[in-house]
Amino acid sequence: EAQVTQNPRYLITVTGKKLTVTCSQNMNHEYMSWYRQDPGLGLRQIYYSMNVEVTDKGDVPEGYKVSRKEKRNFPLILESPSPNQTSLYFCASSFFDRGTEAFFGQGTRLTVV
Amino acid sequence: KQEVTQIPAALSVPEGENLVLNCSFTDSAIYNLQWFRQDPGKGLTSLLLIQSSQREQTSGRLNASLDKSSGRSTLYIAASQPGDSATYLCGSGTASKLTFGTGTRLQVTL
Repeated sequence: EAQVTQNPRYLITVTGKKLTVTCSQNMNHEYMSWYRQDPGLGLRQIYYSMNVEVTDKGDVPEGYKVSRKEKRNFPLILESPSPNQTSLYFCASSFFDRGTEAFFGQGTRLTVV
Repeated sequence: KQEVTQIPAALSVPEGENLVLNCSFTDSAIYNLQWFRQDPGKGLTSLLLIQSSQREQTSGRLNASLDKSSGRSTLYIAASQPGDSATYLCGSGTASKLTFGTGTRLQVTL
């Protein structure tokens, strides 16, 4: 089954404790990206990757890091999480063609206390 | 910068009614527009994708239209059912970067 898989689905952590949210896709997509969803603000893109070892900032990259060492994986790293990073996070992937469909993962609900 | 607006923010209709959800965007230079459904605590389920060269797409009881020149898209749901209750999101742009509205929360009552 074609899918984008995120782990964990739920995470509660403390301020400053480094964490990683994993994302994996099995569709051989070139593009992968991370979004966060906050009430009243919709989904906003954090980072995206056009292919292995190629990443770029989205609209809200501050406080996040990403890496793309393999085509199928695109982890999101919060080196020093803060309460304002409490949010619902989505990973997405798509083929290189700009007009194709974007596929989204099931989401990771992160709470930073 | 692309801005996407969805109206109404919330909608409650009785079962069986036909309804229209609206999505407007400011930058018409888009490659596609994608409609999603989001259930509470769940991820985004893609409903329909309209590429920039297309004017509409249909899937079952759902029909989405796109008018790039006016910066508008609509999602038409026919014969609504309680199972259609969810938040509906539209995203416009390219497959690698979609700009989203804040959604329309739909409740279909018995």
